[in-house]
Amino acid sequence: DQQVKQNSPSLSVQEGRISILNCDYTNSMFDYFLWYKKYPAEGPTFLISISSIKDKNEDGRFTVFLNKSAKHLSLHIVPSQPGDSAVYFCAASIQGAQKLVFGQGTRLTINP
Amino acid sequence: GAGVSQSPSNKVTEKGKDVELRCDPISGHTALYWYRQSLGQGLEFLIYFQGNSAPDKSGLPSDRFSAERTGGSVSTLTIQRTQQEDSAVYLCASSKRVVGGETQYFGPGTRLLVL
Repeated sequence: DQQVKQNSPSLSVQEGRISILNCDYTNSMFDYFLWYKKYPAEGPTFLISISSIKDKNEDGRFTVFLNKSAKHLSLHIVPSQPGDSAVYFCAASIQGAQKLVFGQGTRLTINP
Repeated sequence: GAGVSQSPSNKVTEKGKDVELRCDPISGHTALYWYRQSLGQGLEFLIYFQGNSAPDKSGLPSDRFSAERTGGSVSTLTIQRTQQEDSAVYLCASSKRVVGGETQYFGPGTRLLVL
């Protein structure tokens, strides 16, 4: 069973506009959420995270929103830049547990 | 400082052969994780190590898969009698300690192709 789902395999956004990547989860025990970014032939790199005690976390152009009642989180990138083109994975974990549960990824393409 | 390194970067093998994949974590990181990413899929947890504690092997897909971590540093993932469905990118990650919320830093991965 897929506990973390990214239902959009791809997303195309114009440079300068807002990119919104979505993620849904089913396990209510998850209490820590992360976004990773992955370029081809490289490992994923950490982008931003949020604890379940918060509903928003912001870091520069990146903001993650968490809606616990809907079991939904989203990553907003504004303004989008060409270098943001990559595959984005959301991941979830349970505090005190070690493994991350990943979604399938969304390929973001920023068009000039 | 140096990040997580993995070797080989690519491995092509024949069905039925054994393979060994190596991971060098970031110096000072006590936790080490193995994941794999099959084509079109997300990352799938395989195993993690923390210090001298018994590893969590709950993600290993079959008994053909095993891993060890020597001296609390380098780790080797071994796949015996490889099958075509083992073809994937195998990713290693490390973190400072094993608590929820610790950022995991990933290596570039080993791309395994089983013919």
